[in-house]
Amino acid sequence: KAGVTQTPRYLIKTRGQQVTLSCSPISGHRSVSWYQQTPGQGLQFLFEYFSETQRNKGNFPGRFSGRQFSNSRSEMNVSTLELGDSALYLCASRDDRLGRTEAFFGQGTRLTVV
Amino acid sequence: GENVEQHPSTLSVQEGDSAVIKCTYSDSASNYFPWYKQELGKRPQLIIDIRSNVGEKKDQRIAVTLNKTAKHFSLHITETQPEDSAVYFCAASPGGANNLFFGTGTRLTVIP
Repeated sequence: KAGVTQTPRYLIKTRGQQVTLSCSPISGHRSVSWYQQTPGQGLQFLFEYFSETQRNKGNFPGRFSGRQFSNSRSEMNVSTLELGDSALYLCASRDDRLGRTEAFFGQGTRLTVV
Repeated sequence: GENVEQHPSTLSVQEGDSAVIKCTYSDSASNYFPWYKQELGKRPQLIIDIRSNVGEKKDQRIAVTLNKTAKHFSLHITETQPEDSAVYFCAASPGGANNLFFGTGTRLTVIP
């Protein structure tokens, strides 16, 4: 079974631009969560999608948004990029059935804002 | 929301010694506590987890303990090996594993 796949692996953007990151979960997993990882703040929860609906949301500004498609693939969008948005963005997928709890992470997309 | 604190931020041990990492959480509704290991340049990987109805769980050289009353949980690694060197993150979730709140990580170095 293929693992969680994130594309692209690396991105360089300019302040003010917008960016879209993609996450393909493990086949059969319907829950996809997004996290921002920075050296100073660690791993911070952005939001979680399940069956195309946002189920949970972290404490990030509205510039951060996401969506999930019917095949469970998810995208995350950041508009009006700021220097502080430079980070590793990780998505994690989970099999929500039968109480399974393990979240499987992708390799991440490293975003650099210049 | 949930706030997870993790100590120490760095930990160096001699090969064969034990390592202990401690975390506290703030939300009494949290009921799921996983630990992740992240090697340099790699994705975080689950090494062990515990639910709030269990006080201790072991998996070979790794164990996790949970004290719900005090709202703290700990990771214990015995007989450490150089390949245990990595950053370890604790996490807590008030909604199962749907949204994880992570500690700031502990960089463990095992000295051969």
